[in-house]
Amino acid sequence: GNSVTQMEGPVTLSEEAFLTINCTYTATGYPSLFWYVQYPGEGLQLLLKATKADDKGSNKGFEATYRKETTSFHLEKGSVQVSDSAVYFCALIFNQAGTALIFGKGTTLSVSS
Amino acid sequence: DTGVSQDPRHKITKRGQNVTFRCDPISEHNRLYWYRQTLGQGPEFLTYFQNEAQLEKSRLLSDRFSAERPKGSFSTLEIQRTEQGDSAMYLCASVKTSGSSGELFFGEGSRLTVL
Repeated sequence: GNSVTQMEGPVTLSEEAFLTINCTYTATGYPSLFWYVQYPGEGLQLLLKATKADDKGSNKGFEATYRKETTSFHLEKGSVQVSDSAVYFCALIFNQAGTALIFGKGTTLSVSS
Repeated sequence: DTGVSQDPRHKITKRGQNVTFRCDPISEHNRLYWYRQTLGQGPEFLTYFQNEAQLEKSRLLSDRFSAERPKGSFSTLEIQRTEQGDSAMYLCASVKTSGSSGELFFGEGSRLTVL
């Protein structure tokens, strides 16, 4: 079946450190890929997305590249801030009608000053 | 506020009681989803509506669960004879399926605690 696997957390970093959160997927076709973020006490928000192979999604200094050959969509940021502390979810969806977003288990990021 | 709103935000109930959650999507969004999220897990799909039609239900949605979207606007999720295993955050999301980026917009969730 279709699934998303994320690296387990928590990830604890100091401010200005480099961040990578790994995400790989298993899918029978070619899904669109997403990163959602959930800040404490808030709802899930779309962080970035990529709809086809080799696309790079970016937002707020975060980037992720859709790698079909490795079925991966790793999230990176060059210099994290305390305000980036949140739970990050990798997700996929197929573009045809009638399908739902499939999420990974989430990775908690904690950034200290 | 024009985002997705959910009510109540928190519900504590005793095992065996019925509970109902409401979701008001963004007004022009025609598709509405329900998800369940337990601690340490990602959201799990329960069901979705295209306008007022319920088009897909997950195997997670046992016969104690029922969802409606009677006029294609707000939706309700009812859980009958609640069990402790139903304790979770219930998330609603909506999306406009045409002329948009396809981004799902999530509400802040309704947290259920079954004692």
